[in-house]
Amino acid sequence: QKEVEQNSGPLSVPEGAIASLNCTYSDRGSQSFFWYRQYSGKSPELIMSIYSNGDKEDGRFTAQLNKASQYVSLLIRDSQPSDSATYLCAVDAGKSTFGDGTTLTVKP
Amino acid sequence: EPEVTQTPSHQVTQMGQEVILRCVPISNHLYFYWYRQILGQKVEFLVSFYNNEISEKSEIFDDQFSVERPDGSNFTLKIRSTKLEDSAMYFCASSGTTTYEQYFGPGTRLTVT
Repeated sequence: QKEVEQNSGPLSVPEGAIASLNCTYSDRGSQSFFWYRQYSGKSPELIMSIYSNGDKEDGRFTAQLNKASQYVSLLIRDSQPSDSATYLCAVDAGKSTFGDGTTLTVKP
Repeated sequence: EPEVTQTPSHQVTQMGQEVILRCVPISNHLYFYWYRQILGQKVEFLVSFYNNEISEKSEIFDDQFSVERPDGSNFTLKIRSTKLEDSAMYFCASSGTTTYEQYFGPGTRLTVT
């Protein structure tokens, strides 16, 4: 049974700070990794995908993958109140396993 | 911007009834998925569908569930003989073939009474 663990929240950061969200996964054979944002009562919205070790940047978001450590993270720079949401880590594409999510609050 | 659509947004049904949840995936996508999210819990994979057949399914996706692509645009999830514990948000998602990025629809809230 694949497992995906995310750092327990809630996480609170001031506006303009860097928010760091972490995720570990159990299946060493996993190949694809995704971060979603989910506002309360809404569906998951894809933020980033990452497939290779290292960093991938998209605007204020940076995903980091370390397959040896089975670890994937998401950094949000210059956090805004509109970033307040639950962030979901998902592993693998064909039969995705999601973590429980980390709730982020960005305080003005 | 293309998006996944789902109907209805909310479905209320009585225990033991059959329901069909409908989805229109993004038009050039070829992989389709159903997920569910019980209130306050994590998103759970149900099934993936490609080339008119199921490619993966979870332990949740038992004989009570079935999926179908009845025409070139719709993708449906049928739940036979609904149970109280089937109450959840059901999300449809689709992805293309060049990346595995999945785009979710807005969901159908299913309430079984």
